[in-house]
Amino acid sequence: EPEVTQTPSHQVTQMGQEVILRCVPISNHLYFYWYRQILGQKVEFLVSFYNNEISEKSEIFDDQFSVERPDGSNFTLKIRSTKLEDSAMYFCASSPGGMTYEQYFGPGTRLTVT
Amino acid sequence: AQKITQTQPGMFVQEKEAVTLDCTYDTSDPSYGLFWYKQPSSGEMIFLIYQGSYDQQNATEGRYSLNFQKARKSANLVISASQLGDSAMYFCAILNAGGTSYGKLTFGQGTILTVHP
Repeated sequence: EPEVTQTPSHQVTQMGQEVILRCVPISNHLYFYWYRQILGQKVEFLVSFYNNEISEKSEIFDDQFSVERPDGSNFTLKIRSTKLEDSAMYFCASSPGGMTYEQYFGPGTRLTVT
Repeated sequence: AQKITQTQPGMFVQEKEAVTLDCTYDTSDPSYGLFWYKQPSSGEMIFLIYQGSYDQQNATEGRYSLNFQKARKSANLVISASQLGDSAMYFCAILNAGGTSYGKLTFGQGTILTVHP
């Protein structure tokens, strides 16, 4: 069964460093998302992406964040200058679109900023 | 704006019994969808079930069913015949299916379910 994959599973970085989190969505899906979950809290929407552009972004998704779909398979989230409060689990999700609204999540990348 | 409320921080159930996890929602959009996800201790988010706002029948997926009461704005998850492997955090989420917010999920705080043998 096709699934969303994410790499790495765990990333440790120092404050101020840039990180790139990678995702491979399900191949025939059209909509892509990033969510994050700070430890012990609920899952929060960051950004949605369709047709090679951002559809919507939350107030969390400030100028330090960017997303890219550099080729036909990868979908990346970049944090330019990480802060301690960026420590969280980051989930990528994809959806086929049309009348199918289900979003399928990847296993997540745990980002730890020290 | 959409809002999801899960009022049960934790629930306990005996193995093989049924359990209901509560979820109420608030939205001004006429078209929306309701989701339940399971998050085991390993951290991944597993899609369980989906209910569209215009669906006439309650959604079912195996042992999972969604008790959708539109007038009450509730979308409770019913798990029948609980198994030890059902122990996890469960999140209810709402999706706005119109306008510029297509596909954005808003999650509740979650309910931790513990299944006792």
